[in-house]
Amino acid sequence: SAVISQKPSRDICQRGTSLTIQCQVDSQVTMMFWYRQQPGQSLTLIATANQGSEATYESGFVIDKFPISRPNLTFSTLTVSNMSPEDSSIYLCSCGQGTHEQYFGPGTRLTVT
Amino acid sequence: AQSVTQLDSHVSVSEGTPVLLRCNYSSSYSPSLFWYVQHPNKGLQLLLKYTSAATLVKGINGFEAEFKKSETSFHLTKPSAHMSDAAEYFCVVSALPSGNTGKLIFGQGTTLQVKP
Repeated sequence: SAVISQKPSRDICQRGTSLTIQCQVDSQVTMMFWYRQQPGQSLTLIATANQGSEATYESGFVIDKFPISRPNLTFSTLTVSNMSPEDSSIYLCSCGQGTHEQYFGPGTRLTVT
Repeated sequence: AQSVTQLDSHVSVSEGTPVLLRCNYSSSYSPSLFWYVQHPNKGLQLLLKYTSAATLVKGINGFEAEFKKSETSFHLTKPSAHMSDAAEYFCVVSALPSGNTGKLIFGQGTTLQVKP
């Protein structure tokens, strides 16, 4: 299984600002994903981070709000732009390597004031 | 389209008694199914997975789940609950056919409370 780290682990931000979350995997992986977990809710997929090309976004999520980079097979970033209190959530990175299951990072707990 | 429904939002058991967390799924093809656990302020940990092999799947920490196609169910069980099992449990189905890594669809979660 892959080991994933995320930075920062938590942050408190003011509305209107942006935060970039980093996700690092300890080995090369085929696929990386970004999920959001709103307070008391389940996980929802934001997008699939594609290495060397634009991310694939799920319905309800757009690139201008959640730009994603994936410069190589072990690293990805998610930016939450122009934040509002509704963006307060846990953001989780995951990875998969063709065997179907995904492994998750510890998450980034974001609070927007 | 694939979906999962966790039938209980909250389950409470006494330590040492059996655990049953119920999950029904809907899939237009043979699904891959998973159970993940999330302890407070922690990330998600894979408990077990079903990917069209044996229908009775054994996972970590004494958990197991049985895939029942006729009932479209994938219930999670454990013979004897431990205090450390208290957590949020998610039943998950893959949006793609078995063998492909892609979108995961999460159930709403079941909070397991274990009383001393």
